[in-house]
Amino acid sequence: GEDVEQSLFLSVREGDSSVINCTYTDSSSTYLYWYKQEPGAGLQLLTYIFSNMDMKQDQRLTVLLNKKDKHLSLRIADTQTGDSAIYFCAESPDSGNTPLVFGKGTRLSVIA
Amino acid sequence: DSGVTQTPKHLITATGQRVTLRCSPRSGDLSVYWYQQSLDQGLQFLIQYYNGEERAKGNILERFSAQQFPDLHSELNLSSLELGDSALYFCASSGGASRRDIQYFGAGTRLSVL
Repeated sequence: GEDVEQSLFLSVREGDSSVINCTYTDSSSTYLYWYKQEPGAGLQLLTYIFSNMDMKQDQRLTVLLNKKDKHLSLRIADTQTGDSAIYFCAESPDSGNTPLVFGKGTRLSVIA
Repeated sequence: DSGVTQTPKHLITATGQRVTLRCSPRSGDLSVYWYQQSLDQGLQFLIQYYNGEERAKGNILERFSAQQFPDLHSELNLSSLELGDSALYFCASSGGASRRDIQYFGAGTRLSVL
């Protein structure tokens, strides 16, 4: 079955870049997502990438996809204290409009 | 604001009771998904409805049921509640038949079973 793996914790200094990594197993995944969850809050869609893309940039966020290694990363440039949250990687197996499979989330702590 | 509305935000109840969680999808979205987030299990898919019909089922207990109404809002019913059902329950919606389909999540309902 599908599985998504993420490291659980990441700590960075304010102003540095953060890189959160994710590996997935389903080679038929068409969408890969990054969601952000702040304490006590819901899931905010940060960005997503289609499986036919290698990279997507959106302001401070850069997503890199290595389909061969089934590896996805999220880079946050100039990390701020407001970026402290849990970041979830998720894949959408098969075609779109299917349930998401989530990783366990990476807790990002930004040190001022 | 994702456009997905969940009510109530918080629910406190006792073991053995029954509760109903409600979700209004984004305007025009035909699919509704329910997910459970607990400390030990992480985020798990429960059930999906598409235009009123059940589309996919995940790790949903027999004590739980859901439906999607003609106006496309959905309800998740949890019965014979146990302490272990305490969790954050999320609803998500997406546009339906399109292959390019992105799920947006509501703010969640936090259920505490005492």
